[in-house]
Formats: sequence, C-alpha cells, structure tokens
Amino acid sequence: DAGITQSPRHKVTETGTPVTLRCHQTENHRYMYWYRQDPGHGLRLIHYSYGVKDTDKGEVSDGYSVSRSKTEDFLLTLESATSSQTSVYFCAISKNTGELFFGEGSRLTVL
Amino acid sequence: RKEVEQDPGPFNVPEGATVAFNCTYSNSASQSFFWYRQDCRKEPKLLMSVYSSGNEDGRFTAQLNRASQYISLLIRDSKLSDSATYLCVVSLEEYGNKLVFGAGTILRVKS
Repeated sequence: DAGITQSPRHKVTETGTPVTLRCHQTENHRYMYWYRQDPGHGLRLIHYSYGVKDTDKGEVSDGYSVSRSKTEDFLLTLESATSSQTSVYFCAISKNTGELFFGEGSRLTVL
Repeated sequence: RKEVEQDPGPFNVPEGATVAFNCTYSNSASQSFFWYRQDCRKEPKLLMSVYSSGNEDGRFTAQLNRASQYISLLIRDSKLSDSATYLCVVSLEEYGNKLVFGAGTILRVKS
C-alpha cells in the first residue's frame, strides 16, 4: 500500500463542464503522475510532477492541466470536458527504485 | 509503430499449464523494465522488475533480451488466481525515463 487515494472514484459529467480529479499521497514522494487508461491503448501519461509547483507534460496532455501546491496533492483538471476524455484515470507515485504504485483509479464519464 | 507492443490475447490455459508472454520495445536505449498485473476494474500492481540477468519469483520468471529488444514473462503451474491482464512496462528515453505501458495481455486460467 503506497498510501494513495483518488477522488472522486466515479464521476458523470456533461460536455463542456470543468472537472477536477484529486490525488492524495501520505508518504511524501517527490514524483507523482496522472495516466489515463482506454481499451487498446494501455496506460498513457498525461502529466507528471517532480516537486511542488514543478510539472511537465506527458504524451496526451492536450485538454488537461495539473497543479501541485503541496507535496501530498496532485490535481488534474479538465477545463472543458469532452466525450473523448471519458476514461479511467490513475494517479501514481514512483519510489526510488523506479517502480510506479497506483491509486485505485477515477472513472470519468463525459456525456 | 507503438513503443511497447504486446499480444493482447486472450490466452486461455488450463490450471497447471505453463504460459509465456512476450513484449517488444522500440527504443534500444531503454533502461528499466517491469511486468505489472491488473485485475478487472482494479489498478495495475507491480508483479516484478526485469533485470538483465533474468529473475525468478516463485512460479514467475522474467527475461530480458536487449539484442532483440523484448522481454518475456513465464508463468509455471498456472492458478485460477493468475487470471488477469499482464502489462509490459518500459522506460523510454524520449519521455525523460518515465515509464511507458503496453496495452496488456489477457490471461484466463480455467479449471
């Protein structure tokens, strides 16, 4: 257990509305990540953070922004949700050995 | 060409069988390799890291072939509880050594 919690776990929203997903960790890890998982694509990196206020883009960052104002919290925001952003979103942390440990996921449906 | 490719399966095997999965990666500079396991509607969990010399953990054996750019996972004496999706994970230099996931191979072990 890497002490990662995601909220909300499930959300249904409408196209054009803003959505924020929260990832909270309790173990003070420096690196945090947001992935999305879709059938046939596996997990794809959206954004990651390497410290407070330090973030960078992953391979599918368009339409997403992130913020990290505290070590323990990493927020993912969809400014104007689209149906193509319907997905399962996983937050992860990495430990010194390089492996990733994931939260339980947030299932987002955009109608 | 995808950076990390896996046969999606499904592999349907009887209990007690030996099954092997391969995964190919495109970047010869990749440094780190892992196998993750993901149960239905759950988060991915680290199964094992893959070392250059190969490594074994109980019924599971992982091998790395840098010359041919593939990693493999061998499961001996399959159990019903091994049924899951197995994700191949590679660090790719163009993503700053962040991890990239294959789409996964589905294993179904039947009694």
